[in-house]
Amino acid sequence: DGGITQSPKYLFRKEGQNVTLSCEQNLNHDAMYWYRQDPGQGLRLIYYSQIVNDFQKGDIAEGYSVSREKKESFPLTVTSAQKNPTAFYLCASSPRGGVRDYTFGSGTRLTVV
Amino acid sequence: DQQVKQNSPSLSVQEGRISILNCDYTNSMFDYFLWYKKYPAEGPTFLISISSIKDKNEDGRFTVFLNKSAKHLSLHIVPSQPGDSAVYFCALNAGNNRKLIWGLGTSLAVNP
Repeated sequence: DGGITQSPKYLFRKEGQNVTLSCEQNLNHDAMYWYRQDPGQGLRLIYYSQIVNDFQKGDIAEGYSVSREKKESFPLTVTSAQKNPTAFYLCASSPRGGVRDYTFGSGTRLTVV
Repeated sequence: DQQVKQNSPSLSVQEGRISILNCDYTNSMFDYFLWYKKYPAEGPTFLISISSIKDKNEDGRFTVFLNKSAKHLSLHIVPSQPGDSAVYFCALNAGNNRKLIWGLGTSLAVNP
């Protein structure tokens, strides 16, 4: 079955540590996205990539970094520069041609203590 | 400055009745409109969409209405079922650039 896998589902880290969230898709989608959701907030775009080896900042990229070395994978690193990293992180992908087949992973809840 | 607004954070309806969720937008460049449903601790799942050339799209119990002059989008669920209880997000796209602009969501509770 095709889909997007985010791992782990829950992640705990100490303040000041970098942490990397995994996102893998086997849908053969060109574009991949990282969103953050906070309580009472909508989804805010962190980074997106429309093709391998290329990515663009979204609306709240500060304190985050990404890479897109393979079509299937789009890992997100939450760095120590991110002032409020505790949140629910969602990865999504879409095929070339638009947003009609936007598919989400099940998310990673990151808690920084 | 929020381009997409879902002014009702929550909505409660009785099973079997109609649920109406609303979404307002400010940018007339939006030309594709989607509704997503989200359960706690899960990713959103696509529900229904409409392009700007239409004013209504229906899929089973779900109907989306688009009023371009009012820049208003609504989702009707009829009859509502307890399994419809979730957070509903509207998401808008301009020019097919694969970026979606999201509302803050409306939490729907359907009571048995």
